[in-house]
Amino acid sequence: EVQLLESGGDLVQPGGSLRLSCAASGFTFSSYAMSWVRQAPGKGLEWVSSISGSGGSTYYADSVKGRFTISRDTSRNTLYLQMNSLRADDTAVYYCAKDRPEKVWGQGTLVTVSS
Amino acid sequence: DIVMTQSPDSLAVSLGERATINCKSSQSVLYSSNNENYLAWYQQKPGQPPKLLIYWASTRESGVPDRFSGSGSATDFTLTISSLQAEDVAVYYCQQYYSTPYTFGQGTKLEIK
Repeated sequence: EVQLLESGGDLVQPGGSLRLSCAASGFTFSSYAMSWVRQAPGKGLEWVSSISGSGGSTYYADSVKGRFTISRDTSRNTLYLQMNSLRADDTAVYYCAKDRPEKVWGQGTLVTVSS
Repeated sequence: DIVMTQSPDSLAVSLGERATINCKSSQSVLYSSNNENYLAWYQQKPGQPPKLLIYWASTRESGVPDRFSGSGSATDFTLTISSLQAEDVAVYYCQQYYSTPYTFGQGTKLEIK
């Protein structure tokens, strides 16, 4: 069974940093593009970032470009999102998702940016 | 960026009746080299992650009931639920995956009348 399990969400102050992880199982991790999609409280879905199966290509929304970095570790079957210079409007549930379009989603991890 | 606009924002339909949600993209998401529309539909129930229903505009994901169907091409798309069931109450999103940023529509909230 394909499973994605996010972790790392927390309460962080504006300007702070956080690293999210997404542990993948049940499929050949290196064969699929992976993405992060976020959802602010009570709002819609916002694509954040994607990475190719090889990790050689990465893509970012303008709202996070230069602040967030997506990466993957094939040996650990894990996807990461390093988030720096966090702002209040980064507050959201962050989902990792497999493939394009996003066919399998994790349950999400909550990031709250507040002083 | 490709802007995705859904209509209506909310919809109330009686059980057993048809529900129709529209999605319009600001530019074509039809890729000429393979004649595929890079358009997906998702269902999201409260407290749950989104679930993929339809991709390539009209291909139903495995396990999705056949009362869900997608249609349209280029810039205009429709998600149809042929006979609404109670478990279909959710927010529905369209998404283009033609080019980054892979934008979503604002969502359509579907309720029972």
